[in-house]
Amino acid sequence: NAGVTQTPKFQVLKTGQSMTLQCAQDMNHNSMYWYRQDPGMGLRLIYYSASEGTTDKGEVPNGYNVSRLNKREFSLRLESAAPSQTSVYFCASSESHSTDQPQHFGDGTRLSIL
Amino acid sequence: QKEVEQNSGPLSVPEGAIASLNCTYSDRGSQSFFWYRQYSGKSPELIMSIYSNGDKEDGRFTAQLNKASQYVSLLIRDSQPSDSATYLCAVNRGYQKVTFGTGTKLQVIP
Repeated sequence: NAGVTQTPKFQVLKTGQSMTLQCAQDMNHNSMYWYRQDPGMGLRLIYYSASEGTTDKGEVPNGYNVSRLNKREFSLRLESAAPSQTSVYFCASSESHSTDQPQHFGDGTRLSIL
Repeated sequence: QKEVEQNSGPLSVPEGAIASLNCTYSDRGSQSFFWYRQYSGKSPELIMSIYSNGDKEDGRFTAQLNKASQYVSLLIRDSQPSDSATYLCAVNRGYQKVTFGTGTKLQVIP
Protein backbone atom coordinates (compact mmCIF):
# COMPACT_ATOMS: atom_id res chain seq x y z
CA ASN A 1 0.00 0.00 0.00
CA ALA A 2 2.47 2.64 -1.24
CA GLY A 3 0.14 5.64 -1.62
CA VAL A 4 2.16 8.51 -3.09
CA THR A 5 5.78 7.73 -4.00
CA GLN A 6 8.35 10.41 -4.72
CA THR A 7 11.83 10.02 -6.14
CA PRO A 8 14.51 10.93 -5.36
CA LYS A 9 14.34 11.55 -1.61
CA PHE A 10 17.42 13.78 -1.57
CA GLN A 11 19.25 15.69 -4.29
CA VAL A 12 22.02 18.25 -4.47
CA LEU A 13 22.36 20.31 -7.63
CA LYS A 14 24.60 23.07 -8.84
CA THR A 15 23.10 26.34 -10.01
CA GLY A 16 21.98 26.03 -13.62
CA GLN A 17 21.58 22.27 -13.63
CA SER A 18 18.26 20.71 -14.50
CA MET A 19 16.41 17.82 -12.96
CA THR A 20 13.03 16.13 -12.80
CA LEU A 21 11.26 15.11 -9.62
CA GLN A 22 9.06 12.08 -10.07
CA CYS A 23 5.76 11.33 -8.36
CA ALA A 24 3.44 8.35 -8.70
CA GLN A 25 0.26 7.42 -6.85
CA ASP A 26 -1.49 4.06 -6.71
CA MET A 27 -4.81 5.21 -5.24
CA ASN A 28 -6.50 5.83 -8.60
CA HIS A 29 -6.77 9.52 -7.74
CA ASN A 30 -7.68 12.02 -10.42
CA SER A 31 -5.97 15.12 -9.04
CA MET A 32 -2.29 15.62 -8.27
CA TYR A 33 -0.29 18.51 -6.85
CA TRP A 34 3.23 19.76 -6.33
CA TYR A 35 4.10 21.88 -3.28
CA ARG A 36 7.22 23.35 -1.85
CA GLN A 37 7.69 23.85 1.88
CA ASP A 38 10.06 26.45 3.26
CA PRO A 39 10.59 27.47 6.90
CA GLY A 40 8.02 30.04 7.97
CA MET A 41 6.25 29.93 4.59
CA GLY A 42 4.14 26.84 4.90
CA LEU A 43 3.16 24.70 1.96
CA ARG A 44 2.89 26.63 -1.30
CA LEU A 45 1.31 25.18 -4.41
CA ILE A 46 3.56 25.14 -7.47
CA TYR A 47 1.39 23.35 -10.05
CA TYR A 48 -1.57 21.04 -10.01
CA SER A 49 -3.34 18.65 -12.33
CA ALA A 50 -7.08 18.39 -11.78
CA SER A 51 -7.30 15.37 -14.05
CA GLU A 52 -5.24 13.43 -16.56
CA GLY A 53 -4.35 15.68 -19.46
CA THR A 54 -4.67 19.00 -17.61
CA THR A 55 -2.20 21.10 -15.66
CA ASP A 56 -2.48 24.55 -14.12
CA LYS A 57 -0.27 27.01 -12.30
CA GLY A 58 -0.45 27.41 -8.58
CA GLU A 59 0.88 30.13 -6.34
CA VAL A 60 4.62 29.87 -7.18
CA PRO A 61 5.07 28.36 -10.69
CA ASN A 62 8.02 30.42 -11.93
CA GLY A 63 11.09 28.30 -12.69
CA TYR A 64 9.14 25.03 -12.85
CA ASN A 65 7.36 22.91 -15.42
CA VAL A 66 5.18 19.86 -14.95
CA SER A 67 3.98 16.89 -16.93
CA ARG A 68 1.00 14.70 -16.16
CA LEU A 69 2.33 11.60 -17.86
CA ASN A 70 -0.73 9.48 -17.14
CA LYS A 71 -3.27 9.11 -14.36
CA ARG A 72 -0.64 7.76 -11.95
CA GLU A 73 2.34 10.00 -12.62
CA PHE A 74 2.98 13.73 -12.26
CA SER A 75 6.52 15.05 -12.65
CA LEU A 76 8.07 18.40 -11.75
CA ARG A 77 11.00 19.77 -13.73
CA LEU A 78 13.51 22.44 -12.83
CA GLU A 79 15.03 23.62 -16.10
CA SER A 80 17.80 25.80 -14.64
CA ALA A 81 18.07 25.38 -10.89
CA ALA A 82 18.59 28.44 -8.70
CA PRO A 83 19.55 28.63 -5.00
CA SER A 84 16.08 30.07 -4.28
CA GLN A 85 14.64 26.70 -5.28
CA THR A 86 16.33 24.99 -2.35
CA SER A 87 13.36 23.52 -0.51
CA VAL A 88 11.46 20.41 0.41
CA TYR A 89 9.11 19.37 -2.38
CA PHE A 90 5.95 17.40 -1.72
CA CYS A 91 3.72 15.69 -4.20
CA ALA A 92 0.12 15.08 -3.19
CA SER A 93 -2.97 13.52 -4.69
CA SER A 94 -6.70 13.61 -4.07
CA GLU A 95 -9.62 11.60 -5.35
CA SER A 96 -10.91 14.59 -7.26
CA HIS A 97 -10.77 18.36 -7.29
CA SER A 98 -13.98 18.42 -5.29
CA THR A 99 -13.77 20.63 -2.26
CA ASP A 100 -14.43 17.83 0.20
CA GLN A 101 -11.53 15.66 -0.87
CA PRO A 102 -8.41 15.76 1.29
CA GLN A 103 -4.95 15.52 -0.17
CA HIS A 104 -2.52 12.71 0.59
CA PHE A 105 1.18 13.45 0.56
CA GLY A 106 4.31 11.65 -0.49
CA ASP A 107 7.41 11.55 1.70
CA GLY A 108 9.01 14.54 0.00
CA THR A 109 12.19 15.37 -1.89
CA ARG A 110 14.81 17.44 -0.11
CA LEU A 111 16.54 19.52 -2.75
CA SER A 112 19.61 21.70 -2.24
CA ILE A 113 20.88 24.04 -4.94
CA LEU A 114 24.47 25.18 -4.49
CA GLN B 1 -4.38 39.52 6.31
CA LYS B 2 -3.15 36.01 5.64
CA GLU B 3 -5.65 33.64 4.10
CA VAL B 4 -5.06 31.06 6.82
CA GLU B 5 -3.46 32.01 10.12
CA GLN B 6 -2.08 29.85 12.87
CA ASN B 7 -0.01 30.68 15.91
CA SER B 8 3.42 29.20 15.22
CA GLY B 9 3.93 28.21 18.86
CA PRO B 10 5.47 26.26 20.34
CA LEU B 11 2.45 25.29 22.37
CA SER B 12 3.63 23.31 25.38
CA VAL B 13 1.23 21.12 27.32
CA PRO B 14 1.85 18.49 30.00
CA GLU B 15 1.20 14.85 29.21
CA GLY B 16 -2.45 13.97 29.76
CA ALA B 17 -3.70 17.52 29.26
CA ILE B 18 -5.89 18.89 26.47
CA ALA B 19 -4.07 20.65 23.65
CA SER B 20 -6.06 23.31 21.80
CA LEU B 21 -4.90 24.40 18.37
CA ASN B 22 -6.57 27.26 16.54
CA CYS B 23 -6.79 28.42 12.95
CA THR B 24 -8.54 31.43 11.40
CA TYR B 25 -9.28 31.99 7.74
CA SER B 26 -10.25 35.00 5.70
CA ASP B 27 -12.38 33.66 2.83
CA ARG B 28 -16.01 33.31 3.88
CA GLY B 29 -16.60 31.08 0.87
CA SER B 30 -14.34 28.37 2.29
CA GLN B 31 -16.05 25.04 2.17
CA SER B 32 -13.93 22.35 3.77
CA PHE B 33 -11.27 22.25 6.41
CA PHE B 34 -8.52 19.80 7.24
CA TRP B 35 -6.00 19.23 9.98
CA TYR B 36 -2.68 17.60 9.15
CA ARG B 37 0.04 16.45 11.51
CA GLN B 38 3.65 16.77 10.42
CA TYR B 39 6.48 15.23 12.37
CA SER B 40 9.88 16.84 11.96
CA GLY B 41 11.42 15.80 8.65
CA LYS B 42 8.30 13.94 7.57
CA SER B 43 5.36 14.62 5.29
CA PRO B 44 1.95 15.98 6.34
CA GLU B 45 -0.50 13.31 7.43
CA LEU B 46 -4.26 13.90 7.39
CA ILE B 47 -5.82 13.49 10.82
CA MET B 48 -9.20 15.27 10.61
CA SER B 49 -11.55 16.83 8.12
CA ILE B 50 -14.63 18.91 8.87
CA TYR B 51 -17.20 20.42 6.55
CA SER B 52 -20.07 21.81 8.64
CA ASN B 53 -20.42 23.91 11.75
CA GLY B 54 -20.03 22.16 15.05
CA ASP B 55 -17.81 19.45 16.46
CA LYS B 56 -16.45 16.29 14.90
CA GLU B 57 -14.80 13.70 17.10
CA ASP B 58 -12.40 10.92 16.16
CA GLY B 59 -10.78 9.16 19.07
CA ARG B 60 -8.76 11.67 21.08
CA PHE B 61 -9.17 14.33 18.40
CA THR B 62 -12.04 16.80 18.06
CA ALA B 63 -12.29 19.33 15.27
CA GLN B 64 -14.50 22.36 15.78
CA LEU B 65 -15.76 24.65 13.03
CA ASN B 66 -17.44 28.03 13.35
CA LYS B 67 -18.01 29.51 9.90
CA ALA B 68 -19.61 32.70 11.24
CA SER B 69 -16.46 33.50 13.20
CA GLN B 70 -14.20 31.99 10.54
CA TYR B 71 -12.22 29.73 12.77
CA VAL B 72 -11.50 26.07 13.04
CA SER B 73 -9.84 24.39 15.96
CA LEU B 74 -8.40 21.03 16.90
CA LEU B 75 -8.55 19.62 20.41
CA ILE B 76 -6.31 16.75 21.44
CA ARG B 77 -7.42 15.07 24.63
CA ASP B 78 -5.07 13.09 26.89
CA SER B 79 -2.07 14.48 25.01
CA GLN B 80 0.86 12.09 24.61
CA PRO B 81 4.53 12.80 23.87
CA SER B 82 3.93 11.10 20.51
CA ASP B 83 1.54 13.95 19.66
CA SER B 84 4.49 16.35 19.60
CA ALA B 85 4.53 17.60 16.02
CA THR B 86 3.55 20.55 13.88
CA TYR B 87 -0.16 20.75 13.09
CA LEU B 88 -1.17 22.29 9.79
CA CYS B 89 -4.59 23.76 9.11
CA ALA B 90 -5.75 23.58 5.49
CA VAL B 91 -8.72 25.42 4.06
CA ASN B 92 -10.33 24.56 0.76
CA ARG B 93 -11.83 27.70 -0.77
CA GLY B 94 -13.17 26.09 -3.91
CA TYR B 95 -11.84 24.58 -7.08
CA GLN B 96 -8.20 23.70 -6.38
CA LYS B 97 -7.83 26.59 -3.97
CA VAL B 98 -6.43 24.88 -0.91
CA THR B 99 -4.41 27.10 1.38
CA PHE B 100 -2.28 25.77 4.20
CA GLY B 101 -1.40 27.62 7.35
CA THR B 102 2.21 27.72 8.46
CA GLY B 103 1.46 25.36 11.32
CA THR B 104 1.51 25.28 15.11
CA LYS B 105 4.28 23.36 16.82
CA LEU B 106 2.98 21.29 19.73
CA GLN B 107 5.25 20.01 22.48
CA VAL B 108 3.83 17.50 24.96
CA ILE B 109 5.95 17.44 28.08
CA PRO B 110 6.22 14.02 29.85
